[in-house]
Amino acid sequence: KAGVTQTPRYLIKTRGQQVTLSCSPISGHRSVSWYQQTPGQGLQFLFEYFSETQRNKGNFPGRFSGRQFSNSRSEMNVSTLELGDSALYLCASSLGLGGDLNTEAFFGQGTRLTVV
Amino acid sequence: GESVGLHLPTLSVQEGDNSIINCAYSNSASDYFIWYKQESGKGPQFIIDIRSNMDKRQGQRVTVLLNKTVKHLSLQIAATQPGDSAVYFCAEKLGTSYGKLTFGQGTILTVHP
Repeated sequence: KAGVTQTPRYLIKTRGQQVTLSCSPISGHRSVSWYQQTPGQGLQFLFEYFSETQRNKGNFPGRFSGRQFSNSRSEMNVSTLELGDSALYLCASSLGLGGDLNTEAFFGQGTRLTVV
Repeated sequence: GESVGLHLPTLSVQEGDNSIINCAYSNSASDYFIWYKQESGKGPQFIIDIRSNMDKRQGQRVTVLLNKTVKHLSLQIAATQPGDSAVYFCAEKLGTSYGKLTFGQGTILTVHP
């Protein structure tokens, strides 16, 4: 079956602009999580969506937002970009069934965002 | 100001050796632990997981050990191959935190032929 698909793979934006990243989860998966990966901070959790609802959020400013559609596809948006937002943004999908710890998360290849 | 880059621990081994990668996790209440492998230009790939009520789990060529007393996790790779060269991350999850994973800093494994 198809894996997690993230688009675009690479993106260059200017400070102050906004950006939207897209993630298509594995078919049948209802949970989508987003992570930011940087050399300075490593992998950090941004937020998670399940059935179109945000059910968990990391410690990021309000400039970072997301949403999930009825087909489980998810988008994340970063407004008023800063140089420090340059990172690899990873999306992970899982079945997301409540109470089941062993819901393996499958990651996409990420979107490499460069802010100049 | 400038951010200080993480200085990832590194492990260099010869092909065929066994590798042990260590991880100290942060939350004693975490219920579930996972090891991921990340190759250059790719997203993390699941290797093996373990629940907090276990202390050992084996997979194909890999074994994960969990020591809750000292909040330590290790990944053992038997007969390491050049294709095992990657960055390895441990991750922890609380049962109440749905899909949120908290990742360790990672270890760079280099396997020399």
